[in-house]
Amino acid sequence: EAAVTQSPRNKVTVTGGNVTLSCRQTNSHNYMYWYRQDTGHGLRLIHYSYGAGNLQIGDVPDGYKATRTTQEDFFLLLELASPSQTSLYFCASSQSQNTLYFGAGTRLSVL
Amino acid sequence: QQKVQQSPESLIVPEGGMASLNCTSSDRNVDYFWWYRQHSGKSPKMLMSIFSNGEKEEGRFTVHLNKASLHTSLHIRDSQPSDSALYLCAASDSNNRIFFGDGTQLVVKP
Repeated sequence: EAAVTQSPRNKVTVTGGNVTLSCRQTNSHNYMYWYRQDTGHGLRLIHYSYGAGNLQIGDVPDGYKATRTTQEDFFLLLELASPSQTSLYFCASSQSQNTLYFGAGTRLSVL
Repeated sequence: QQKVQQSPESLIVPEGGMASLNCTSSDRNVDYFWWYRQHSGKSPKMLMSIFSNGEKEEGRFTVHLNKASLHTSLHIRDSQPSDSALYLCAASDSNNRIFFGDGTQLVVKP
């Protein structure tokens, strides 16, 4: 099964803080995605990428930057974290128009 | 506006019963649909996919797709307590943007 690893698993920061969430996939998938999931809700697309150096805007990009440094690695950056960004973040990878494989998630709290 | 709408929000069925979940997209650019299942505290896992009009069956699970109305449904027969989970409908467009609905919380009561 496809392997997607997220780190850290939990993170606590303060308002205005700087946070980087990491994601690595070892399946040679072209596409990688960042989603957030708030309690009782589905997943909302933040950013996605179809290859190293590429970045596409999702539905809720405000306050987030992302960078795809290699085919394996996709990072999500919060440069001035706000309490509204407290959420569960999932990274996923896939081949084009195919099944998404998710990481275990990162729980972020912004105090 | 959310591009994928799911109903009902929550559903309780008795063990052995039939669960029926619905999903519609408001985006005419959508072309593929998936159903994912997320158990509490876990990440979502793909349950079934459907890309063409019609019906697809895998064990106790059946999905239907009507591409003209962009509506898909998932039916679970002989529901088991282990089927209790959040069921998420996902759709993708030609740019490989993959959108999710808010999900249906299914509870199967023994």
